[in-house]
Amino acid sequence: EEQLVESGGGLVQPGGSLRLSCAASGFIFSSHWMYWIRQAPGKGLEWISRINNDGNSTKYADSVKGRFTISRDNSKNTLYLQMNSLRVEDSGIYYCARVGAQLVWDTWGQGTLVTVSS
Amino acid sequence: DIVMTQSPGSLAVSLGARATITCKSSQSLLYSSNKKNYLAWYQLKQGQPPKLLIYWAYTRESGCPDRFIGGGSGTDFTLTINNLQAEDVALYYCQQYYNTPRTFGQGTNLEI
Repeated sequence: EEQLVESGGGLVQPGGSLRLSCAASGFIFSSHWMYWIRQAPGKGLEWISRINNDGNSTKYADSVKGRFTISRDNSKNTLYLQMNSLRVEDSGIYYCARVGAQLVWDTWGQGTLVTVSS
Repeated sequence: DIVMTQSPGSLAVSLGARATITCKSSQSLLYSSNKKNYLAWYQLKQGQPPKLLIYWAYTRESGCPDRFIGGGSGTDFTLTINNLQAEDVALYYCQQYYNTPRTFGQGTNLEI
């Protein structure tokens, strides 16, 4: 079964850091571009960052550029999101998602909750 | 960035009836070389991750019931849900993948 499992969320103070992980299984992780997408409380879905299949190309939403870093370790089948200088508005559920053969996000993790609060 | 405008924001429909959600993009999502519209629909239920329903504007993902029908082309798209079932209560989002950043509509909250 193709699966993505996020971890690393939690409660952090403004200005703090967190590192999210997304463990992939059941498919060839190194063949797929990957994304992080979040849903803030009471708000819609927002694309945060993406990385190509070999990790040498990344992009970020303006809202997180310079503070978040996406990376991957294909030997460990794991995607990461290093989040620094966290703000209250970064709170939400963070999902990792796989880009499938049809170029859409066809597999999603269950999400990990990030709460930024003092 | 491509702006996706989705309506209505919320919708209440009776069991067994039809629900229609519209989505308009600020530029065409039709790629001329392959004649495909780069538009997807996702369903988001409470406590669950988003689920891909439809891609290329009208192609149902494996496992998506055939009562979900995607339509439209260019800048105007629809998601129609026929014979509404209780399990269809969810948030629905359109999303363009024509270019980066991939952008979503504001979402439609579908209730019975």
